[in-house]
Amino acid sequence: QVQLQQWGAGLLKPSETLSLTCAVSGGSFSGHYWSWIRQAPGKGLEWIGEINQSGSTNYNPSLKSRVTISLDTSKNQFSLRLNSVTAADTAIYYCARGYTYYYDSETYRCNFDYWGQGTLVTVSS
Amino acid sequence: EIVLTQSPEFQSVTPKEKVTITCRASQSIGSNLHWYQQKPDQSPKLLIKYASQSISGVPSRFSGSGSGTDFTLTINSLEAEDAAAYYCHQSSSLPWTFGQGTKVEIK
Repeated sequence: QVQLQQWGAGLLKPSETLSLTCAVSGGSFSGHYWSWIRQAPGKGLEWIGEINQSGSTNYNPSLKSRVTISLDTSKNQFSLRLNSVTAADTAIYYCARGYTYYYDSETYRCNFDYWGQGTLVTVSS
Repeated sequence: EIVLTQSPEFQSVTPKEKVTITCRASQSIGSNLHWYQQKPDQSPKLLIKYASQSISGVPSRFSGSGSGTDFTLTINSLEAEDAAAYYCHQSSSLPWTFGQGTKVEIK
């Protein structure tokens, strides 16, 4: 059973950098994409970005200038950094597996089938 | 960016009633549409993949249908434990997007 365990600082001041890490256990790190998704208080879900085992990344254009997602394959971990945070970045941040499969030289992107427990990050002066 | 619009945003339902939630995409996404359930203070949980494919362990009262731009999540015979927010999500093209959510309350 795949499990995602995430951690990171929960209280930041404006202009600081958000940093979260997600550890993957119980399954293969390779072959899938690994995403960060956030949810502002009382709001819906917003996809932030993703990375695969090769280090290939995709980011939401709305956050791209401030986001970096990286990975440590030796530890089966991937991380999120979000620069210059403001109160608008206050949210629960989730890591999740984006199930991916390959067929006939094509890559098929699917759903988010495993999620971390979520980390509340509050930005306040 | 593909915009997903869910309706209704809120629904108050009596147990054993049937619930229907719709998700409309701003452009055709084939069957690349998935549904999630999120209970209070929990992470989202995958309910339906590829518009209509069931997920192991999910009760059979949950079903999905649709393709192209119009999709439906149906909960047959609602149970108290189904009180939650429901989200659709498209994996047709980047950036991945979600609907704004539908909150289902039990009367």
